[in-house]
Amino acid sequence: EAGVAQSPRYKIIEKRQSVAFWCNPISGHATLYWYQQILGQGPKLLIQFQNNGVVDDSQLPKDRFSAERLKGVDSTLKIQPAKLEDSAVYLCASSLVGGLDTEAFFGQGTRLTVV
Amino acid sequence: AQSVTQLDSQVPVFEEAPVELRCNYSSSVSVYLFWYVQYPNQGLQLLLKYLSGSTLVKGINGFEAEFNKSQTSFHLRKPSVHISDTAEYFCAVSPQGAQKLVFGQGTRLTINP
Repeated sequence: EAGVAQSPRYKIIEKRQSVAFWCNPISGHATLYWYQQILGQGPKLLIQFQNNGVVDDSQLPKDRFSAERLKGVDSTLKIQPAKLEDSAVYLCASSLVGGLDTEAFFGQGTRLTVV
Repeated sequence: AQSVTQLDSQVPVFEEAPVELRCNYSSSVSVYLFWYVQYPNQGLQLLLKYLSGSTLVKGINGFEAEFNKSQTSFHLRKPSVHISDTAEYFCAVSPQGAQKLVFGQGTRLTINP
């Protein structure tokens, strides 16, 4: 079974530039998550989709971050304009819907450096 | 709301020694509990989870964890560690009925030969 695919693996941009990350979840997983992991901290949920609808985006800085999941499969996360404090690893995860628990499967992440 | 506190940011141990990584949580609702491991430059991988039933949960790679409801803890243990266990370990909770994970800040486990 293929895992969660993310690209690019690494990205370096200057502040005020824009950047986009892509995620392809495990086939059949209706729930997709984007997490931000700042160095030395645990992952923080930015946004959660179920199919192509948003379930939770309460911690997404909506003035600069946006995400979409067209057709309920792959997803993109965009930052515009980027700030120095956005330097982090952006993790995408997916899970099945309707189970008792939330076993999320994670991609390898995109490491963003804003200079 | 939920929060997770991992009491040690770094834990150095010698190879073949036992280890315990501590995790406490707070929540106003019932939660499921998880431990994830993150090897360098990798995504997170599930070690084990507690949903219900026996409070002692066994996971992959010889790890186990014990759920203590009265102390709201879910400590991770391994009786004998190997160099390959060097990684970052994250405790997480998920509110029952809401499919999302709230993570602690992580514990870096370093194994010395």
